[in-house]
Amino acid sequence: GDSVTQTEGQVTVSESKSLIINCTYSATSIGYPNLFWYVRYPGEGLQLLLKVITAGQKGSSRGFEATYNKEATSFHLQKASVQESDSAVYYCALTPNYNQGKLIFGQGTKLSIKP
Amino acid sequence: DTTVKQNPRYKLARVGKPVNLICSQTMNHDTMYWYQKKPNQAPKLLLFYYDKILNREADTFEKFQSSRPNNSFCSLYIGSAGLEYSAMYLCASSRGLGGGEQYFGPGTRLTVL
Repeated sequence: GDSVTQTEGQVTVSESKSLIINCTYSATSIGYPNLFWYVRYPGEGLQLLLKVITAGQKGSSRGFEATYNKEATSFHLQKASVQESDSAVYYCALTPNYNQGKLIFGQGTKLSIKP
Repeated sequence: DTTVKQNPRYKLARVGKPVNLICSQTMNHDTMYWYQKKPNQAPKLLLFYYDKILNREADTFEKFQSSRPNNSFCSLYIGSAGLEYSAMYLCASSRGLGGGEQYFGPGTRLTVL
């Protein structure tokens, strides 16, 4: 079935340095899935960070970017300069083509920022 | 207001006893979802209501029930809790099937002893 893989469970980055959180996906259904990054800040619920529904396109929000790479089946999250307020857990997710209501998540990556 | 509320935030249950978790939203969303999240695992969809129609995932079909008495409320019901039900339960809602854009509540942490 469809799946999402985030290889790093925890990442620590120094403030103002660049960030990349890896995400790869496997989609067995015909057609391309929609891809998402969700974020959970401490004490809050999951919230959508960005979404890309077209292969080859880039999504961006709050200084974060992710490009839908259908050849590599990847959707890595990047930021040029992180801030302490970016400390959170980041989840990569997809909705398969056959069921737009079903979010399939990766395991999440906890981002800690060193001052 | 884009708030999804969940009650209670923490729930302690005994093995073999029933558990009922409540979710509400005021966005007039058509669809409400329940996910289960265990430590070091991905959130996993259990079921969702699209309007009045309940859709349950095949692998958890017999373990969870749900009701949606009106558009704003949705419950998750466990008839007989086992230790394996200890987890965070996340409720979400969306307009239509949302295309993946869902609004999540803060979660209810269920501990079964």
